[in-house]
Amino acid sequence: QQQVKQSPQSLIVQKGGISIINCAYENTAFDYFPWYQQFPGKGPALLIAIRPDVSEKKEGRFTISFNKSAKQFSLHIMDSQPGDSATYFCAARSGGSYIPTFGRGTSLIVHP
Amino acid sequence: ETGVTQSPTHLIKTRGQQVTLRCSSQSGHNTVSWYQQALGQGPQFIFQYYREEENGRGNFPPRFSGLQFPNYSSELNVNALELDDSALYLCASSKGVGSLSTDTQYFGPGTRLTVL
Repeated sequence: QQQVKQSPQSLIVQKGGISIINCAYENTAFDYFPWYQQFPGKGPALLIAIRPDVSEKKEGRFTISFNKSAKQFSLHIMDSQPGDSATYFCAARSGGSYIPTFGRGTSLIVHP
Repeated sequence: ETGVTQSPTHLIKTRGQQVTLRCSSQSGHNTVSWYQQALGQGPQFIFQYYREEENGRGNFPPRFSGLQFPNYSSELNVNALELDDSALYLCASSKGVGSLSTDTQYFGPGTRLTVL
């Protein structure tokens, strides 16, 4: 049973465009929602994270939008750059386990 | 401040063999978590060690075992390797556990295990 569903599986965007990746979760006990960026041959690196007490968090070109009632959250990458080409994972963690559950990942390609 | 390191980078084993993977946590971190990342999938939690004791375990069989040492480095051992064990094995370090944990886990580059 996959507790965090991520879409799309792959995404191709032109340089300067907006990349949008969506995630949905089932467990209402989740209270921390991080996004990770993974380049080939590297481990995932924390990109940005949000808690359910806010609906949006922005850090530079990266924004998380959070909809608690719909149990959905999304990552928006504004002005996408070729250097953003990587695999992105959403995750969710509950205050009880403190172990994140990851989505299956989205492979983003930004064409120059 | 040194990051999380893992060794070896790549490893090829045959079915039925045993393997040991190693991880050195980031300076100041006392918690190590291991993940299995199959090709095209997100990381799956294997187990976590805090102060040399297992602090949580995912849905993996007992042939996956681990150790944490006094310097907080860690090993992942897998016995009786199966073809499906082929994956990238990631180690992540953090500080504290449960309500004392920090939010951020720092991942190492992983060990790519291929089982033939």
